Amino acid sequence: SQKIEQNSEALNIQEGKTATLTCNYTNYSPAYLQWYRQDPGRGPVFLLLIRENEKEKRKERLKVTFDTTLKQSLFHITASQPADSATYLCALDVIDSNYQLIWGAGTKLIIKP
Amino acid sequence: ETGVTQTPRHLVMGMTNKKSLKCEQHLGHNAMYWYKQSAKKPLELMFVYSLEERVENNSVPSRFSPECPNSSHLFLHLHTLQPEDSALYLCASSQGHFLEGTDTQYFGPGTRLTVL
Repeated sequence: SQKIEQNSEALNIQEGKTATLTCNYTNYSPAYLQWYRQDPGRGPVFLLLIRENEKEKRKERLKVTFDTTLKQSLFHITASQPADSATYLCALDVIDSNYQLIWGAGTKLIIKP
Repeated sequence: ETGVTQTPRHLVMGMTNKKSLKCEQHLGHNAMYWYKQSAKKPLELMFVYSLEERVENNSVPSRFSPECPNSSHLFLHLHTLQPEDSALYLCASSQGHFLEGTDTQYFGPGTRLTVL
């Protein structure tokens, strides 16, 4: 079956360290992958988009990698801060889906001061 | 007001009630979406509208009825819901560039629905 997996366990990181979140998928042919941030009681907010032919994308302290061979995307936050604490969702746009993003369940990130 | 707004933010209803959720986007987008989000589960796409035409309906029970009167407004009409329908209902919009593959979605804050 087709699915996207993100770590269901919360990730606890010490402030200042790099946080790395994982998004694995199976049986998809992705066109691109997106990462979103969701705070409690709020809707997701778009962070970064990476295409299938891109290896890496950066935005300020954020970095995303996309390995279509491993079927995996990694999301890094460098110099993490308590304000980075949130749930992070990955979403895949697959070639044969016209309107749908396929969503992961998200990983909760907790940055401890 | 900017972005995507949703009302009400919280709703408690009985199984025999009829209520409606409202979404409005101020971004000039062509596509609008309804999602259901339950705890620790992926977002479930319910409906997609593109240029006011419904283009996706993911086997959603008929007790959920969407309405898109124009490209800025989206409603979700609810009737005879079940307790398992309790969840966060999110509205989103996007430019609608589906074939280009670069469509990112902008979400509202959601309506927290509790069905008693």
